[in-house]
Amino acid sequence: NFMLTQPHSVSESPGKTVTISCTRSSGSIASNYVQWYQQRPGSSPTTVIYEDNQRPSGVPDRFSGSIDSSSNSASLTISGLKTEDEADYYCQSYDSSTPWVFGGGTKLTVL
Amino acid sequence: QVQLVESGGGLVKPGGSLRLSCAASGFTFSDYYMSWIRQAPGKGLEWVSYISSSGSTIYYADSVKGRFTISRDNAKNSLYLQMNSLRAEDTAVYYCARDVGRFDPWGQGTLVTVSS
Repeated sequence: NFMLTQPHSVSESPGKTVTISCTRSSGSIASNYVQWYQQRPGSSPTTVIYEDNQRPSGVPDRFSGSIDSSSNSASLTISGLKTEDEADYYCQSYDSSTPWVFGGGTKLTVL
Repeated sequence: QVQLVESGGGLVKPGGSLRLSCAASGFTFSDYYMSWIRQAPGKGLEWVSYISSSGSTIYYADSVKGRFTISRDNAKNSLYLQMNSLRAEDTAVYYCARDVGRFDPWGQGTLVTVSS
């Protein structure tokens, strides 16, 4: 089994860019797709990035995803931060022996 | 539109049982894999169980294996989670989600509280 580790919290000012990391403990980050979910307070999660770097329709292009094999991590980058981006963000991946692992979540504060 | 609506949550004593339901609409339910995911109060997301479109393939998280049973009724467009031998640590909001390589969409969730 593997784990996905995220920072507990990040904060940045409106209009700036923030990056949230998601580090895989074992196995290659590139071997299985990574998804990112946004969860606003009191709401269900929604997908902001799937298959490492794909945006669902309706998600603004301020959201982007990438993977870095050298650090075995995935990243979610949000540019032009808006107060409405304040939420918890979760990464998620899988492998053949560990279905559907979530990272611990990162609380994004836009202040 | 695609919609998932959970029901069946509530307060149950430790060792008790509960059956959650998830009603699907707006898509051909029988074509899709489905999962249950839970979130303890103030905590992160934890995948609980998965069922294939036909129901022939099922997976469980180690934390619920042997106690929870996932099932589906494609004729009724419904997903179920039978939860037995409930523990305090099972207290959470339980979401059903369509599995399309990502979880999308999610239902609004139903709260299960295990307490004496």
